Amino acid sequence: EAAVTQSPRNKVAVTGGKVTLSCNQTNNHNNMYWYRQDTGHGLRLIHYSYGAGSTEKGDIPDGYKASRPSQENFSLILELATPSQTSVYFCASGDVGTGPYEQYFGPGTRLTVL
Amino acid sequence: GDSVTQTEGLVTLTKGLPVMLNCTYQTTYSPFLFWYVQHLNEAPKLLLKSSTDNKRTEHQGFYATLHKSSSSFHLQKSSVQLSDSALYFCALNYGGSGNKLIFGTGTLLSVKP
Repeated sequence: EAAVTQSPRNKVAVTGGKVTLSCNQTNNHNNMYWYRQDTGHGLRLIHYSYGAGSTEKGDIPDGYKASRPSQENFSLILELATPSQTSVYFCASGDVGTGPYEQYFGPGTRLTVL
Repeated sequence: GDSVTQTEGLVTLTKGLPVMLNCTYQTTYSPFLFWYVQHLNEAPKLLLKSSTDNKRTEHQGFYATLHKSSSSFHLQKSSVQLSDSALYFCALNYGGSGNKLIFGTGTLLSVKP
């Protein structure tokens, strides 16, 4: 089965601080995704990537950056964290070859911004 | 624009009863639909995915049929168990979206003894 890991699993940050969430997948999938999950909103796409060196904006990219330095790793960066970014963040990977278009999710990171 | 609608936020049932969770979608492209299940403090996992129009797909006792005529992909089970208590998401992939998914807001299924 597909393996996606995230670190840290829990994070408390201060307003205005920088936060980096990391994701690693060992499935050799080309595509990776970052979502946030909030009650009443489901899963919303922040950024995604089609491969190393590429990042694309999702539906709610404001206040977030992404980095894909390698096939396996995909990071989400909050340069200036705000309390509104308190949420649970999920990373996912997927490829057309595992499809159609199925995505495999990591365990999530719970971020609290004070 | 393209969207997924799940009308029930919370469904509470007694063990052994049937359940149907609603999912409708909107897209002008050819759709693929998915149901993901998320147990408490766990990651979402794929439950089942759509096949061709009007064909039923099944997994772990759950089933769903894609009906393009009504833009629906409702999730059903004939007899729910306590272990089915979880958050259920319907998701849409459509031609032209690349490999992106659009998720509904989710339905929390709570099964009581």
